[in-house]
This record gives sequence, C-alpha cells and structure tokens, in this order.
Amino acid sequence: NAGVTQTPKFQVLKTGQSMTLQCAQDMNHNSMYWYRQDPGMGLRLIYYSASEGTTDKGEVPNGYNVSRLNKREFSLRLESAAPSQTSVYFCATRGATNEKLFFGSGTQLSVL
Amino acid sequence: SQKIEQNSEALNIQEGKTATLTCNYTNYSPAYLQWYRQDPGRGPVFLLLIRENEKEKRKERLKVTFDTTLKQSLFHITASQPADSATYLCALAPYKLIFGAGTRLAVHP
Repeated sequence: NAGVTQTPKFQVLKTGQSMTLQCAQDMNHNSMYWYRQDPGMGLRLIYYSASEGTTDKGEVPNGYNVSRLNKREFSLRLESAAPSQTSVYFCATRGATNEKLFFGSGTQLSVL
Repeated sequence: SQKIEQNSEALNIQEGKTATLTCNYTNYSPAYLQWYRQDPGRGPVFLLLIRENEKEKRKERLKVTFDTTLKQSLFHITASQPADSATYLCALAPYKLIFGAGTRLAVHP
C-alpha cells in the first residue's frame, strides 16, 4: 500500500521549460491537493480537486495548471517555468472534509 | 486576510522537559484545527485534530488545546525525547487547509 506517490523526486529546469509533476494515490480518496513549500512561508495551496472531473484554484495558482485524470491521479503542470517556482511541491489527499491530509514525499524543483 | 502565525524561531529544550508550541490565527473562525509533524525531506504527517467545541485533546504524550476566544492553539509534548525533534505545523479550515509556517523543535539529550 503505497499511499501517495509523487514523481519525480528531484528536477532541475531552465527558465521557460515546461514539465508535469505526477501524483497518484491508492487510498480511494475523493479530494486531492497540490501545495508548494518555501522557507518561512509554510505550505501554500496551489490547486485542489474535490472529486474526479473538478478542479479549483487555491492561494497561489498563477503559472500552474492541473489535471484530475481520474480518481487516482492529479497532475500539476508548469507551462513556462520561472525561478520563482523553485520550491518543494507536495501532493496530498483526503477522504472527507474533516479528515486528515495524507502527503506524498515531495518533489524538489529548481528553476535556473 | 486569513493569517496563521507560529513561532519562527526554533525551540530548543532538554530531554524530558515539556515542549509547548503556539499557533495563533486572525480573521478566521475555523471549525477545527490540525497539527502535523514534518521531518527534513519528508511530507507532513498528521498528529492530532481538535474541533472548535473541544477545549483539549490528548494522544499519548501529546496534548492540544484550542481557545477560540484567544484564537490560539497550544501543542504540548510531555517527557520530550530527541526523536521528537522535527518541524510542527498547525493547519486551519474545514476544506482548504491553511497551514502555518511551522516551528522547528530540537530536543537535546
């Protein structure tokens, strides 16, 4: 039982390049989230998906797009990476509104 | 705007003592509050949830209080151990969880 799996674990991009961060969960949860974590800033919500087929913006959505491919998978895409997007990205899932989040191990992204 | 504040400075304590971490919030009335632990290079892991109508919640050596009048939660670790060293995050909101920046705890032998 893997829980929440994120790929890749590390990535270095040049400014302007694009990439997709992948997230898959085997917990049969409806809700999935993408956060970024920067030093001193805490976790900030980028996008979330309440259920398959729906997505909504979080606190810092600019420069990102998401796809809820099916119940298991929720991907985050950077169309034109910028140095300001250098961060650690976490995917998380939750079964119900008042329950805890389960996090993946994160993707460390550097944009040069 | 909604704001969550946790002590940005690291908390250093001696093994065996009680660690107390603070989470203050403004411009929000959360239905519940959660605490997470995060180790370096890892994702946060859930520890405790406390609802607005609960004053206190305990789990083994952990205790959380929630004062909706003061808009504050306190997180206590009793009989602390070096293995408790980590960053602790508080989070608010019934749906779109809003996280504080976290407080790093270092427990020294």
